Amino acid sequence: NAGVTQTPKFQVLKTGQSMTLQCAQDMNHEYMSWYRQDPGMGLRLIHYSVGAGITDQGEVPNGYNVSRSTTEDFPLRLLSAAPSQTSVYFCASSYDEGSPLHFGNGTRLTVT
Amino acid sequence: GQQVMQIPQYQHVQEGEDFTTYCNSSTTLSNIQWYKQRPGGHPVFLIQLVKSGEVKKQKRLTFQFGEAKKNSSLHITATQTTDVGTYFCAGPSGTSYGKLTFGQGTILTVHP
Repeated sequence: NAGVTQTPKFQVLKTGQSMTLQCAQDMNHEYMSWYRQDPGMGLRLIHYSVGAGITDQGEVPNGYNVSRSTTEDFPLRLLSAAPSQTSVYFCASSYDEGSPLHFGNGTRLTVT
Repeated sequence: GQQVMQIPQYQHVQEGEDFTTYCNSSTTLSNIQWYKQRPGGHPVFLIQLVKSGEVKKQKRLTFQFGEAKKNSSLHITATQTTDVGTYFCAGPSGTSYGKLTFGQGTILTVHP
C-alpha cells in the first residue's frame, strides 16, 4: 500500500517552461488536493477535487491547472513557470471532504 | 476570507519543558485538525476535534477546541527531541469542507 505518491521529488525549471507534477493514490480516496508550502506561510490550497471529473479552485489557483480523469490520479500543471512558483508542492488525499488528509512526500520545485 | 492564525511562529524549549501552540480562526469552525511535519518531511495527521469544548489526549499531547469553536490549542508535556517539527492547525473554509485552511504553523525546536 503506497499511499500518496508524488513525482518528481525535485525539479528545476526555467521561467516560461511548463511541466506536470504527478500525484497518485491507491487508497480509493474521493478527495484530492494540491498545496504549496512557502516559509512562514503554512500550506496554501491551490486546487482540489471531490471526485473524478470534479475540480475546484483553492486559495492560490492562478498559474496552475488540474484535472481528475480517474479516482487515483490528480496531476498539477504549471502552464508557464514563474520564479514566484518556486515552492514545495504537496498532494494530499482523504476518504472524503472533512476527513483527515494523507500527504505525499512533496515535490521541491525551483524556477530560475 | 477565512483566516487561521497560529502563535507563536517559533518556540525553542529545553528537553523536558512544556510547549503550547495556539490556533485562532476568524470564523466559527465545524471542526479543526492538527498535523505535525518533521523537518524535511510531509505533514502527518494527528487529531481532529469536532465538539465545542472538546479535549483529547494522545500520550503527552493534549488538544483542546474552544467553546466558541473559533480557537484551539495543542499542549505537549515534558517535550522530547522527537517532538521537533512544525505543528499546523487546519479548519474548513466556510461551508466548503473541501477547502481546508491551514495556519502558518509553529516551529518547535527542542534542545537536549
